[in-house]
Amino acid sequence: KAGVTQTPRYLIKTRGQQVTLSCSPISGHRSVSWYQQTPGQGLQFLFEYFSETQRNKGNFPGRFSGRQFSNSRSEMNVSTLELGDSALYLCASSPERTSGEYNEQFFGPGTRLTVL
Amino acid sequence: KNEVEQSPQNLTAQEGEFITINCSYSVGISALHWLQQHPGGGIVSLFMLSSGKKKHGRLIATINIQEKHSSLHITASHPRDSAVYICAVRGVTQGGSEKLVFGKGTKLTVNP
Repeated sequence: KAGVTQTPRYLIKTRGQQVTLSCSPISGHRSVSWYQQTPGQGLQFLFEYFSETQRNKGNFPGRFSGRQFSNSRSEMNVSTLELGDSALYLCASSPERTSGEYNEQFFGPGTRLTVL
Repeated sequence: KNEVEQSPQNLTAQEGEFITINCSYSVGISALHWLQQHPGGGIVSLFMLSSGKKKHGRLIATINIQEKHSSLHITASHPRDSAVYICAVRGVTQGGSEKLVFGKGTKLTVNP
């Protein structure tokens, strides 16, 4: 099976612009989560989608949004970019949760966003 | 105080040594993950635990729910084990939603 893919891998934007990042989960996985990683804050949870519905959301401003399509592919959007949004954005997919047990997450390679 | 604390922050070992990385958390959790991140950013999930102990090759992970503590052990360490190891806990927020909270990571360097 192909792994989680993220596009683009690298992106440079300027302050005030908006950006859309894409994530394709492993085939058959219906849950997709997004994370931000910065040197100062480490890894932080952004949001989780399951079957096109946002299931959980982290403590990020409304400029950060996402969605999931019927084929489980997901996009996240950041509007009005700030310098502090420069980070590695990681997407992870997992199979459908069964019997209340959580499943392992499989991470993509990430998109490195630089805001100038 | 962070909800997830890892120790040590940095660890240097000689090839063959037994390694222990610790993770303590302060929130109620439903699962704990150990992740490995190599230079370049790629993250691999090593273990997911909700109780007891798991073993995969030279890696062993344990969790003590009562003490809110988990350890990751590496036996017979090898230079290819050099990476950042991250502990993450899945908990429930006050609003009732779930979130994954990460430790700051332990940077392991294994010298030949």
